[in-house]
Amino acid sequence: AQSVTQLGSHVSVSEGALVLLRCNYSSSVPPYLFWYVQYPNQGLQLLLKYTSAATLVKGINGFEAEFKKSETSFHLTKPSAHMSDAAEYFCAVSGPGSGYALNFGKGTSLLVTP
Amino acid sequence: DGGITQSPKYLFRKEGQNVTLSCEQNLNHDAMYWYRQDPGQGLRLIYYSQIVNDFQKGDIAEGYSVSREKKESFPLTVTSAQKNPTAFYLCASKEGPLGEQFFGPGTRLTVL
Repeated sequence: AQSVTQLGSHVSVSEGALVLLRCNYSSSVPPYLFWYVQYPNQGLQLLLKYTSAATLVKGINGFEAEFKKSETSFHLTKPSAHMSDAAEYFCAVSGPGSGYALNFGKGTSLLVTP
Repeated sequence: DGGITQSPKYLFRKEGQNVTLSCEQNLNHDAMYWYRQDPGQGLRLIYYSQIVNDFQKGDIAEGYSVSREKKESFPLTVTSAQKNPTAFYLCASKEGPLGEQFFGPGTRLTVL
């Protein structure tokens, strides 16, 4: 079975500071990993995905994530936080089981303070 | 514009009633999914369908039912057997195994 664990249910950063959201995965096969963002009462939007190509993945809105097999991690970063980045962020993994459905972490709520 | 629509946005149900949540996509995707979201628990898979006239149970299918009679449509029925149905429900579709999974805007169901 494949799963992800997000460390920290709430993260607070100052505007302009580095954003780091942590995600560790567990998988017996090479995983497909994703980061999604959700604004209140809305659906999810894909930020970026890793599908075994480059280990450093660049996404939308200045976010990027690095796949580290040795650490089983896929942490999300952004060099400088904007107020508009405040949202819920989900890490997810998929594989051949369940029709390649996504298996989500519990989410990290990002707060950006002025 | 291509995308996924869900209706209604808000739904209220009395205990003992069945309700059906609509999900329509015009992305020509074969695979469709239903997830349930509860605060602090992330999203959990209810049902999925990889092709018309076929669907499979996900992790929390008890108390739910689906149909897939058309490629574009994947309605979810929340039955009276679902003991705690109050949640935010998200529908998604996907083109292939490595494709992006697109999400609808969600339906918030509240049991009165």
